[in-house]
Amino acid sequence: NAGVTQTPKFQVLKTGQSMTLQCAQDMNHNSMYWYRQDPGMGLRLIYYSASEGTTDKGEVPNGYNVSRLNKREFSLRLESAAPSQTSVYFCASRPDRGHSDNSPLHFGNGTRLTVT
Amino acid sequence: GESVGLHLPTLSVQEGDNSIINCAYSNSASDYFIWYKQESGKGPQFIIDIRSNMDKRQGQRVTVLLNKTVKHLSLQIAATQPGDSAVYFCAETPMGYSTLTFGKGTMLLVSP
Repeated sequence: NAGVTQTPKFQVLKTGQSMTLQCAQDMNHNSMYWYRQDPGMGLRLIYYSASEGTTDKGEVPNGYNVSRLNKREFSLRLESAAPSQTSVYFCASRPDRGHSDNSPLHFGNGTRLTVT
Repeated sequence: GESVGLHLPTLSVQEGDNSIINCAYSNSASDYFIWYKQESGKGPQFIIDIRSNMDKRQGQRVTVLLNKTVKHLSLQIAATQPGDSAVYFCAETPMGYSTLTFGKGTMLLVSP
């Protein structure tokens, strides 16, 4: 199993450009997440999808959109990139087998995005 | 290189020492807790978890202690090795919630 795979690994954008960050998991997990990580800020949740067909805003959703394409794939789109979106983006997934279940997130290795 | 470690509290230890990394949480409803390790250039990696009906759980060279009274979580690493050098995060959530809340992290530096 590859786990959680993110592409691309690195990206440089100019202000105003758009791009989509791709994420796929092969663990048959129900829930998927997008986080950004900035120095001194820890991991902040952008959007998540508790199950196929649903998406919800996290702590910092402004400037982003997401698509849960199917159970495996959850993409993050920046429509008009801004320098404040320079960050490392992590995708994660977890099984979420029911209300009484808790399980850890499994993370990908990140996309390092620079917006100039 | 990776700059996630900037502004983080840092724990420096010698190889072979035991390390203790602490985490305070604020949500009294939290009842599931996780420790993650993040090496430079990689995503966070699950280390160990604990549910609120326990106050201690042991893994391989790691122990997590939970004190719900003072809302405090700690990660103990026995016989710390240079490969343990990383940023360590705690995370917490109430049972059944879809989202986790992450701490800011502590950088562990292990000298040979």
